[in-house]
Amino acid sequence: EVQLVESGGGLVQPGGSLRLSCAASGFSLSTYRMSWVRQAPGKGLEWVANIKEDGSEKYYVDSVKGRFTISRDNGRNSLYLHMNSLRAEDTAVYYCATEVVLTLENWFDPWGQGTLVTVSS
Amino acid sequence: SSELTQDPAVSVALGQTVIITCQGDSLRSYYASWYRQKPGQAPVLVIYGKNNRPSGIPDRFSGSSSGNTASLTITGAQAEDEADYYCYSRDTSGNHRVFGGGTKLTVL
Repeated sequence: EVQLVESGGGLVQPGGSLRLSCAASGFSLSTYRMSWVRQAPGKGLEWVANIKEDGSEKYYVDSVKGRFTISRDNGRNSLYLHMNSLRAEDTAVYYCATEVVLTLENWFDPWGQGTLVTVSS
Repeated sequence: SSELTQDPAVSVALGQTVIITCQGDSLRSYYASWYRQKPGQAPVLVIYGKNNRPSGIPDRFSGSSSGNTASLTITGAQAEDEADYYCYSRDTSGNHRVFGGGTKLTVL
């Protein structure tokens, strides 16, 4: 079964750090661009960051640039999100997602079930 | 530009047709993909590319695109289609990604 499972979420104080992990099973992550997407409580989906298949290119939404780092370990079939200097507005469910990228189109499939990050004192 | 705009809410009578739209400059260059999300669940892909459905998505779901607007059509909406729907694409640079704000679909 093709599956993504996130872990590492939890309660953290403002200014703190957290590392999210996403483990893939049933397929190899190495042939896909991967993304983190988040959803604040009661809000819409927000793309956070992505990383190319070989890790050579990474892109971030402006609001997390300089604070978050996306990485991958294809040998472990895993994706990571290192989050530093966390703010209350980073509180969200964080999803990892596999992205298929073609010349004029791209889509996410599959998605993980999400892990909740709460930033609060 | 890095914005995709959706109507916040749309309603449809059971069995009728509803169109959910998504507007943005990047859609002149790239196709949108569409996701359905029910409360407490992860998003699910329903349409990708020009008009493709993943396995398991009913054929009442279809997609189209014209100019800067992508559309998701549900022909003969069912009660189980009630959900939030999001469009997604690249921004005009082609490197960053962006979601629309989401449309809450109510089936009456």
